[in-house]
Amino acid sequence: GDSVTQTEGLVTLTKGLPVMLNCTYQTTYSPFLFWYVQHLNEAPKLLLKSSTDNKRTEHQGFYATLHKSSSSFHLQKSSVQLSDSALYFCALSDDSGYNKLTFGKGTVLLVSP
Amino acid sequence: EAGVTQSPRYAVLQEGQAVSFWCDPISGHDTLYWYQQPRDQGPQLLVYFRDEAVIDNSQLPSDRFSAVRPKGTNSTLKIQSAKQGDTATYLCASSPQGWDTQYFGPGTRLLVL
Repeated sequence: GDSVTQTEGLVTLTKGLPVMLNCTYQTTYSPFLFWYVQHLNEAPKLLLKSSTDNKRTEHQGFYATLHKSSSSFHLQKSSVQLSDSALYFCALSDDSGYNKLTFGKGTVLLVSP
Repeated sequence: EAGVTQSPRYAVLQEGQAVSFWCDPISGHDTLYWYQQPRDQGPQLLVYFRDEAVIDNSQLPSDRFSAVRPKGTNSTLKIQSAKQGDTATYLCASSPQGWDTQYFGPGTRLLVL
């Protein structure tokens, strides 16, 4: 079955530094990848999505590129802010037409002053 | 536009007690999903509906969990006899047919003592 791997459970950084959160996936279908962000006690919200190979997608300063050759969709930002502290999930959709999502375990990003 | 709403926001139970969670999706969204999110883990799909029909409930512990969406709008997830292992946040999400993004509610945080 489908699976998503996020290797970092916790990333701690100082404000202003760059960050990369890793995401790799396994699927037998054509991949559609998502990054969701969940702030404390809030609902997960869509941050980025892509199904296009080797095309960078950006939103709110975050960016990611789907690389089908390496089955990866890493999330990056060049300069993190305090407000970026949150839980970040990578998710994979199947192509059943029902948009069934498989989530990774998530990475907590903590940004300090 | 109102988002996905869920109630209650919190529930505390003793083992063996029953509990119901309620979800009101975004108006016009015909697909509704229920997820279980254990602490420090990613959401795991339990069941999803297209209108009133269950599409896939294979991950729902059927001996104690049930979910309905009788009119294709609101949905109820019920745990008949809760166990400590059910402690988690239960998320509801909705999506229009053919749309690739799911919109999540704030979740219900369940603690089973």
